[in-house]
Amino acid sequence: QQPVQSPQAVILREGEDAVINCSSSKALYSVHWYRQKHGEAPVFLMILLKGGEQKGHDKISASFNEKKQQSSLYLTASQLSYSGTYFCGTGGSGGSNYKLTFGKGTLLTVNP
Amino acid sequence: EAQVTQNPRYLITVTGKKLTVTCSQNMNHEYMSWYRQDPGLGLRQIYYSMNVEVTDKGDVPEGYKVSRKEKRNFPLILESPSPNQTSLYFCASSLWASGSSNEQFFGPGTRLTVL
Repeated sequence: QQPVQSPQAVILREGEDAVINCSSSKALYSVHWYRQKHGEAPVFLMILLKGGEQKGHDKISASFNEKKQQSSLYLTASQLSYSGTYFCGTGGSGGSNYKLTFGKGTLLTVNP
Repeated sequence: EAQVTQNPRYLITVTGKKLTVTCSQNMNHEYMSWYRQDPGLGLRQIYYSMNVEVTDKGDVPEGYKVSRKEKRNFPLILESPSPNQTSLYFCASSLWASGSSNEQFFGPGTRLTVL
């Protein structure tokens, strides 16, 4: 079953912050985040493993709450280059890519 | 240059005509996978392979076949394509099948239209 992402779309002005949520109805072992710009292939952002860890990548960070079965992606001081569709994927234990199930995506638009 | 390549990039075919989409990676990756992307549905995994001769079904395997005879290649075969297989297809690979930095590298995509 696909994880549920919210919001489906968000529009920001440059410099604003955003949060994208990813929820699963089943137990989470790992959450994989990717970004896809229009007309391009998805690009890896980070993987979070079971254990409630947080990770950072430039001004993009994420948290993983296994009790709530959800992960959140935080985009701070957004830049024009952050525009794209963000996908979360739920994978197996240890960050495995087996049976990786992605959500439907969140379209992020950053305007000047 | 380290990359995942797919061929063809665009294909228009007719129902029932067998086709193969090739995928090749030059990074000596163990793991490879196929996804399809449809508007409003996100990325859905079709098949994956943990190593040579080891493959398994993803979420939407019906109507597709794969093989992994060599480490670098992972072709996707549609024996009898139907219009509902019209989609954008991505091949991806990663060094290992699991790990905390287990980045998947995606190919450029193949846009398939089945008439």
